[in-house]
Amino acid sequence: QSVLTQPPSVSGAPGQRVTISCAGSSSNIGTIYDVHWYQQIPGTPPKYLISGNNNRPSGVPDRFSGSKSGTSASLAITGLQAEDEADYYCQCYDTSLSGYVFGTGTKVTVL
Amino acid sequence: QITLKESGPTLVNPTQTLTLTCSFSGFSFSSSGVGVGWIRQPPGKALEWLAVIYWNDEKRYSPSLKRSLSITKDTSKDQVVLTMTDMDPVDTATYYCAHRLGGSTTGGAYNVWGQGSMVTVSS
Repeated sequence: QSVLTQPPSVSGAPGQRVTISCAGSSSNIGTIYDVHWYQQIPGTPPKYLISGNNNRPSGVPDRFSGSKSGTSASLAITGLQAEDEADYYCQCYDTSLSGYVFGTGTKVTVL
Repeated sequence: QITLKESGPTLVNPTQTLTLTCSFSGFSFSSSGVGVGWIRQPPGKALEWLAVIYWNDEKRYSPSLKRSLSITKDTSKDQVVLTMTDMDPVDTATYYCAHRLGGSTTGGAYNVWGQGSMVTVSS
């Protein structure tokens, strides 16, 4: 049912940079609305990570950054750490649905 | 500090109606821009947005579930209630309520989440 498509998994060694893509459409990511990202460690609720390019809530390290181009968005994690191993979801407002949509989720593994 | 907590049954029979309550603190529906949403997550699967209610009582629903969902707020109790009719085993999931960060009835992130309420649909 997700209208935002993410890769099922990405992996990287400690210290490396990984990116997670989020593909949408002209009615969600392709609009003026920001794309938001969440981190979820299994068994816990999602944690709000970042909005747009660099709007991070306090406590979220600047190793996490977001970007958007056309109908796609990306989350980059630089200096990958063991604690970053989690599931990540993108989310946006969809104008054709008049509601919110989440991505399919990406599992990040630290090798 | 904003906190939210979901409460409701852990087990419901197929075809029954589910009623979940979200009790919150640290914000109020008397403030313009406030929104509270419901999101669910079946075991091992992705997040799915269900519904949102705003300070001005505007409501939005997932189109695929609109016919079975209802969201209301009780400003005096600082609660939001979600009802879902005709429950099916595929509705087995953890149901989360979350505070929506934003100034209008569109857009915004869910910046604070409850711990979630696991609901199993089975006879």
